[in-house]
Amino acid sequence: KQEVTQIPAALSVPEGENLVLNCSFTDSAIYNLQWFRQDPGKGLTSLLLIQSSQREQTSGRLNASLDKSSGRSTLYIAASQPGDSATYLCAVRRVTNAGKSTFGDGTTLTVKP
Amino acid sequence: NAGVTQTPKFQVLKTGQSMTLQCAQDMNHEYMSWYRQDPGMGLRLIHYSVGAGITDQGEVPNGYNVSRSTTEDFPLRLLSAAPSQTSVYFCASSHTGAQPQHFGDGTRLSIL
Repeated sequence: KQEVTQIPAALSVPEGENLVLNCSFTDSAIYNLQWFRQDPGKGLTSLLLIQSSQREQTSGRLNASLDKSSGRSTLYIAASQPGDSATYLCAVRRVTNAGKSTFGDGTTLTVKP
Repeated sequence: NAGVTQTPKFQVLKTGQSMTLQCAQDMNHEYMSWYRQDPGMGLRLIHYSVGAGITDQGEVPNGYNVSRSTTEDFPLRLLSAAPSQTSVYFCASSHTGAQPQHFGDGTRLSIL
């Protein structure tokens, strides 16, 4: 059974700091990994999708990396802003059944002005 | 561009009542999924579909039914509501398994 873990559960940083969020998964036979952002009381917004054959994806101040062999992904946020405060979730799809996704519990980020 | 639309946004039910949560997407996506989100437990997959007429169970399917008669719609039915089904329900869709999932805004369901 695929298990996805995100550590830490919560993170607080001052504005302007660069930071890294972690996502680990137990089964390396993944199809892809997707990072999401969720604001309180809202739905999930897709940030980045990394296919299993890729090492990283970038969008603006965000950079996601994938090391499939070690079962890890990181989301790097450069020059953090108060507007980045949200919960960040990662989700993996399996090679054997891409219809199924397994989510981590998320990291709640607070960026202080 | 509506994306994924979920209705209703809020609902209160009594134990034993039945209801249907609606999910519709206008992106011609083949893959659709239902999740529930509970505090401290992340998102858990209830049921999913990889195309019209094809559905399968996720991690927590008990007490829920789905059908997929069209590409656009994927309703979730609660057969006999229980307090343990109080949760926030999200519907998601993607063109294929290789494409990003897009989420609706959720349905907040309380069962008394």
